[in-house]
Amino acid sequence: GEEVAQTPKHLVRGEGQKAKLYCAPIKGHSYVFWYQQVLKNEFKFLISFQNENVFDETGMPKERFSAKCLPNSPCSLEIQATKLEDSAVYFCASRQGARYTFGSGTRLTVV
Amino acid sequence: GIQVEQSPPDLILQEGANSTLRCNFSDSVNNLQWFHQNPWGQLINLFYIPSGTKQNGRLSATTVATERYSLLYISSSQTTDSGVYFCAAWRDAGNMLTFGGGTRLMVKP
Repeated sequence: GEEVAQTPKHLVRGEGQKAKLYCAPIKGHSYVFWYQQVLKNEFKFLISFQNENVFDETGMPKERFSAKCLPNSPCSLEIQATKLEDSAVYFCASRQGARYTFGSGTRLTVV
Repeated sequence: GIQVEQSPPDLILQEGANSTLRCNFSDSVNNLQWFHQNPWGQLINLFYIPSGTKQNGRLSATTVATERYSLLYISSSQTTDSGVYFCAAWRDAGNMLTFGGGTRLMVKP
């Protein structure tokens, strides 16, 4: 389809628990990006993939965050041992050609 | 890295009014996109506009790459136009988007 599908829409985790978010990019799009939106307006880049290979991971807090994009599977973003400050909306986007298309986001609340 | 700045940060309009939102970006940007984030949090593509002018209904956008700015025009605003408008820029294929801080628009009936 022509949409980026993110699941789940909402996720609540206790501090210290693991959180795993999924993203199915648009078929044929070779680039996938993860962004974290905090404070409603600020977008922070986390990581990008070109097909299943990491393209740019300069935004990832690597001690607790990891991500994968494997063939024939949704991409995933995993947070080990969540902290309160990880509460945010996590957006996935895919790109082929000039335009980026974003998914609807996963709202993670850490309590 | 790329710098993207938007103005104004907040805007309140009466329904039916027109508005212009501005996005300034640092040099070496050759791709730019406008998004609308609606009150439910969805990010909606408005325009991919590295240069020139495009129109879609009541919305239009102009990018003057040589002067490093882009403008988004909203005419005859409606309450459904409320939300946050972002511009985002990037340089080359595969590179990440750098977002501006957004313009929060509220259209009152």
